Amino acid sequence: QVQLVQSGAEVKKPGASVKVSCKASGYTFTDYYMHWVRQAPGQGLEWMGWINADSGGTNYAQKFQGRVTMTRDTSISTAYMELSRLRSDDTAVYYCARDREYSRSTGALDIWGQGTVVTVSS
Amino acid sequence: QSALTQPASVSGSPGQSITISCTGTSSDVGRFNYVSWYQHHPGKAPKLMIYEVNNRPSGVSNRFSGSKSGNTASLTISGLQAEDEADYYCNSYTGSSTSWVFGGGTKLTVL
Repeated sequence: QVQLVQSGAEVKKPGASVKVSCKASGYTFTDYYMHWVRQAPGQGLEWMGWINADSGGTNYAQKFQGRVTMTRDTSISTAYMELSRLRSDDTAVYYCARDREYSRSTGALDIWGQGTVVTVSS
Repeated sequence: QSALTQPASVSGSPGQSITISCTGTSSDVGRFNYVSWYQHHPGKAPKLMIYEVNNRPSGVSNRFSGSKSGNTASLTISGLQAEDEADYYCNSYTGSSTSWVFGGGTKLTVL
């Protein structure tokens, strides 16, 4: 079946970086855009950006530009999100989610990973 | 880019209908038909309920429907059931450097 499986929980110190992986299966990885969304404790969902899994092109939310890097490895159908210069308010659950439309971004995210908890604490 | 505005909470009794609003601006909700809605039960991944304003993905109950008027999109749930109790988020394309923005979320309580 179509699914996204994310890497496990991370604990990082302020100023460090974290890289979360998202392995896709059950569909052609390069046919769809992958988005990243996070949810801080007690807060709502926050869109971080997307990567075109075919071309590798990216689009980041202005808030994260300069700190986030989204990449992919098509040979293993895996997308990555790296966030640098971590702060305590980056503590959140990070999700990858597939855009439902073939080869374009519509923001309709139909398949989600299980989430990765990232804790930033000294 | 500011989050879209949703009521913090709504409630209804089983069998009733409720509507959750999502207010943006003429630059996002009012301009584009890329509005989607998500159901989120705590501890689980969000679930797509409506896309492109009023389309339901396969497998989503027809008790869920979406609409838009001006700068406000709406999600209506008819025939409320206990399992509908969850947080609901809207999302819209903005056309700006931050392409997509979520609403603040609405907690639905089924009384």
